[in-house]
Amino acid sequence: QQQVKQSPQSLIVQKGGISIINCAYENTAFDYFPWYQQFPGKGPALLIAIRPDVSEKKEGRFTISFNKSAKQFSLHIMDSQPGDSATYFCAASYSGNTGKLIFGQGTTLQVKP
Amino acid sequence: NAGVTQTPKFQVLKTGQSMTLQCAQDMNHNSMYWYRQDPGMGLRLIYYSASEGTTDKGEVPNGYNVSRLNKREFSLRLESAAPSQTSVYFCASRAIGTGIFKNYGYTFGSGTRLTVV
Repeated sequence: QQQVKQSPQSLIVQKGGISIINCAYENTAFDYFPWYQQFPGKGPALLIAIRPDVSEKKEGRFTISFNKSAKQFSLHIMDSQPGDSATYFCAASYSGNTGKLIFGQGTTLQVKP
Repeated sequence: NAGVTQTPKFQVLKTGQSMTLQCAQDMNHNSMYWYRQDPGMGLRLIYYSASEGTTDKGEVPNGYNVSRLNKREFSLRLESAAPSQTSVYFCASRAIGTGIFKNYGYTFGSGTRLTVV
């Protein structure tokens, strides 16, 4: 079963625009929601993460918005740049020491110059 | 450089052959994970090791075995490769924090691209 659903599958944005990627989760036991960025031929790298006790977290041009009641969270990339072109994954994790991450399906972002 | 090292980077196998994917981390992390990445399906957990000496199945364990050789190394073995195991395999590791400073951030290797023909 897919516990974390991500959309859209692909996204094309003009340079300087806002990129928005959405994720929805099912299990209310999740307590950690990271976003990973992956460039071709590389492994995913942690971009930004949020816990459910806050509604928004911002790091530079990247912002996570979190809606606990709707069980949704989203990644906003402000002033998108061609260098942001990559695949983005949302994920969710349970409490406890196993730390297993459940990933969304991924979004391929292309930022056009 | 500190991080997660995976070998080999590329491999082509014939159906029925076996092989072991190697993973080593030098960050003194407790937990290690094996994921596979397939188009449109994200990353799916195959096996994980929460700490040295323990291993557990993830979402898609069939056809795979693992060994946590020591704290640094976590290998993934395909006993009889099948075309359905054609994928990109990622190893990851994670430190375990305690209390309010829990850290769930993963560090991923660069992947092994496996093709089974």
